[in-house]
Amino acid sequence: AQSVTQLGSHVSVSEGALVLLRCNYSSSVPPYLFWYVQYPNQGLQLLLKYTSAATLVKGINGFEAEFKKSETSFHLTKPSAHMSDAAEYFCAVSPNNNNDMRFGAGTRLTVKP
Amino acid sequence: NAGVTQTPKFRILKIGQSMTLQCTQDMNHNYMYWYRQDPGMGLKLIYYSVGAGITDKGEVPNGYNVSRSTTEDFPLRLELAAPSQTSVYFCASSYSPTSGSYFGPGTRLLVL
Repeated sequence: AQSVTQLGSHVSVSEGALVLLRCNYSSSVPPYLFWYVQYPNQGLQLLLKYTSAATLVKGINGFEAEFKKSETSFHLTKPSAHMSDAAEYFCAVSPNNNNDMRFGAGTRLTVKP
Repeated sequence: NAGVTQTPKFRILKIGQSMTLQCTQDMNHNYMYWYRQDPGMGLKLIYYSVGAGITDKGEVPNGYNVSRSTTEDFPLRLELAAPSQTSVYFCASSYSPTSGSYFGPGTRLLVL
């Protein structure tokens, strides 16, 4: 069965600094990969997804993620953090075209002024 | 479009009581899901549906039941509530399993 590991339950960056949130997956078949963001007291919102079309995926709010098969990773980055990026971020993996999506435990991003 | 709506937003239950969490989507999505979110655990899939009349178990289905009589609605039933069911419950819908999901705002449930 597939699984997701998010390294670091909390990440703190200064405003304007690079954001790097790490996600590693395990899957017996080529997976579909997703990043979601959750603001306080809200549901999850899709940031971006990898579906094998391109290894570098651009999402909303200036975020992007790169699929690296050799490293089984799908890390999320943003060149310059903004205060409004403070939220919890979840990586999720789904095997090829079924409903068994698995979420990571989440990484809480704090942005310091 | 309202997207995915959930009611109630918050509920306190006594042990052994039952309740139904409501979920409605107006995007004509065939796929709908129920997740629970516990601190530090991410989201766990409880049940899902691939269309009206079709439901299946997810990772943590025990203590829950679902039905899908229409495309729009996907209620989650808790029978004999237990403290272990204290959680935040999210309903989601999607066009396909790989398109990414739209989530509702969640229902916070406390079982005492």
